[in-house]
Amino acid sequence: DAMVIQNPRYQVTQFGKPVTLSCSQTLNHNVMYWYQQKSSQAPKLLFHYYDKDFNNEADTPDNFQSRRPNTSFCFLDIRSPGLGDAAMYLCACGEGGQPQHFGDGTRLSIL
Amino acid sequence: AQSVTQPDIHITVSEGASLELRCNYSYGATPYLFWYVQSPGQGLQLLLKYFSGDTLVQGIKGFEAEFKRSQSSFNLRKPSVHWSDAAEYFCAVGSYGQNFVFGPGTRLSVLP
Repeated sequence: DAMVIQNPRYQVTQFGKPVTLSCSQTLNHNVMYWYQQKSSQAPKLLFHYYDKDFNNEADTPDNFQSRRPNTSFCFLDIRSPGLGDAAMYLCACGEGGQPQHFGDGTRLSIL
Repeated sequence: AQSVTQPDIHITVSEGASLELRCNYSYGATPYLFWYVQSPGQGLQLLLKYFSGDTLVQGIKGFEAEFKRSQSSFNLRKPSVHWSDAAEYFCAVGSYGQNFVFGPGTRLSVLP
């Protein structure tokens, strides 16, 4: 059974049109992560939540925001997507400082 | 600053052959080391991890890895590769409360 679920699997949006990606986990892990992965590259950490504490990576663009309303859910908001934001977005959860369980990702395309 | 290198961008092996994927790290503290696998269009799956103790770690899908502190390496091995092992493999290093860093990945192709 899937433990980290990302919706949708594929998302198409228009240049500059806000988009929200969602993630849920059934493991009750206290840390949730959002990664951006471009083709043939390693995942790049955007931010993570330790419980409700939000931790933004220094080079994450202001265009990217996140919300974690409860332990199970986490959202990635891209306020004004640009062509360079087309990528796979991976959600993960874990305990103790490293991501242990990943979702299958949302592939975002920008028209 | 911590870093991870995976010297081989792409490796091709024949089905049934043995496999070794290389990983070297640079880390100031005692490292926790990880290997993940990513099949096309999917997320990452944790294969194995090393925190402390026995330097030979067993993982899922028949993989193992050996931590060698003197060489700053954590190479992944499998004695006999299956076609379903074709994927991207990422080594990663972190520590409790410290930044977690992925290597650039090694793409594995398997010949029938």
